[in-house]
Amino acid sequence: KAGVTQTPRYLIKTRGQQVTLSCSPISGHRSVSWYQQTPGQGLQFLFEYFSETQRNKGNFPGRFSGRQFSNSRSEMNVSTLELGDSALYLCASSPLQGSQETQYFGPGTRLLVL
Amino acid sequence: SQQGEEDPQALSIQEGENATMNCSYKTSINNLQWYRQNSGRGLVHLILIRSNEREKHSGRLRVTLDTSKKSSSLLITASRAADTASYFCATGTYNQGGKLIFGQGTELSVKP
Repeated sequence: KAGVTQTPRYLIKTRGQQVTLSCSPISGHRSVSWYQQTPGQGLQFLFEYFSETQRNKGNFPGRFSGRQFSNSRSEMNVSTLELGDSALYLCASSPLQGSQETQYFGPGTRLLVL
Repeated sequence: SQQGEEDPQALSIQEGENATMNCSYKTSINNLQWYRQNSGRGLVHLILIRSNEREKHSGRLRVTLDTSKKSSSLLITASRAADTASYFCATGTYNQGGKLIFGQGTELSVKP
């Protein structure tokens, strides 16, 4: 099976712009979660989607949003970018919703905000 | 805030030696997972141990879980240079869905 894929892999934006990142889960996986990784804060949970519904949300401002499509692919959007949004954004998929499952991560999208 | 704290933050050993990393967490958990990350790339899943398990093995990896002490350890035996990476523990809890809370990680360097 192909692993989790994320596009684009690298992105450079300027402050105030918005960005959309895409994640395709492993075939058959219905749950997608997003994480932000920065040197200062480490790995932080953004949100989790299952069956096109947001099931869980981390402690991030409303500028961070996401959605999931009927084929389980997910996108996250960050509006009005700030310098502090520069990070590696990782998505993870698992077969079902819930904390009992192993989560498989994609290679990440590295976002640089100038 | 991070749930887990990992110890040590950095570890440097010679090839062939064993590497032990420790993880402590704060709340009751459903499971604990260990991941490896090479140079800021994606996370590779290593092993998942459930709250009712005490020890688990996978190849050269051995994970223990002590829920009474809220701690876990990852042992890599006979380390190789290719094991050089950052290692993270992540906890899942019953009421948090698929949310994982990560520790700060241990940076392991294995010298040939």
